[in-house]
Amino acid sequence: AQSVTQLGSHVSVSEGALVLLRCNYSSSVPPYLFWYVQYPNQGLQLLLKYTTGATLVKGINGFEAEFKKSETSFHLTKPSAHMSDAAEYFCAVRALIGGSNYKLTFGKGTLLTVNP
Amino acid sequence: GAVVSQHPSRVICKSGTSVKIECRSLDFQATTMFWYRQFPKKSLMLMATSNEGSKATYEQGVEKDKFLINHASLTLSTLTVTSAHPEDSSFYICSASSGVYYEQYFGPGTRLTVT
Repeated sequence: AQSVTQLGSHVSVSEGALVLLRCNYSSSVPPYLFWYVQYPNQGLQLLLKYTTGATLVKGINGFEAEFKKSETSFHLTKPSAHMSDAAEYFCAVRALIGGSNYKLTFGKGTLLTVNP
Repeated sequence: GAVVSQHPSRVICKSGTSVKIECRSLDFQATTMFWYRQFPKKSLMLMATSNEGSKATYEQGVEKDKFLINHASLTLSTLTVTSAHPEDSSFYICSASSGVYYEQYFGPGTRLTVT
């Protein structure tokens, strides 16, 4: 079984400040990890993903995340927040559940607000 | 990139009626499609997984007779909410994947309101 915990349902930063959104996971198999962004009344857009290989993953819009197996973490960061980054962010873990089937398990989401 | 569409984007229906939501992969063949439900200010809850040509696999607690899923082709899956009630009001999101090791591409969602 797998699960995702996002620490902080709401994070508020000033424009230009560092963004740090926390995600911890549990998985009984090597995980694939994802960060998605959701703008109001829209679907999810993939920011970045970790599958195998390099543990520091760069995504779109200047975001990056680092997979730390020892800490079971996959925190999302951006050096300088922009007003357009204000949205809901979801961390997700994917694992095979048997045969060729797999599923994504999402965290509860973190709402990022950016103050001018 | 891969594009997934949903139709309609918003629908209002009366209690007791049925409503169908379509999910289409526009530029790739989706062997697997997923249906999620999202409550206000909540995470996405996987409802069911469907493989083209097979019966959908429903998550525990999801009524398969109420939420009918059909994945008749490699580009289309439908979710039918039967005998809708106000508590079925929610944001429904589909996603599509072209294989086990490929990522899911999400549709824009459908806002269902049952009056």
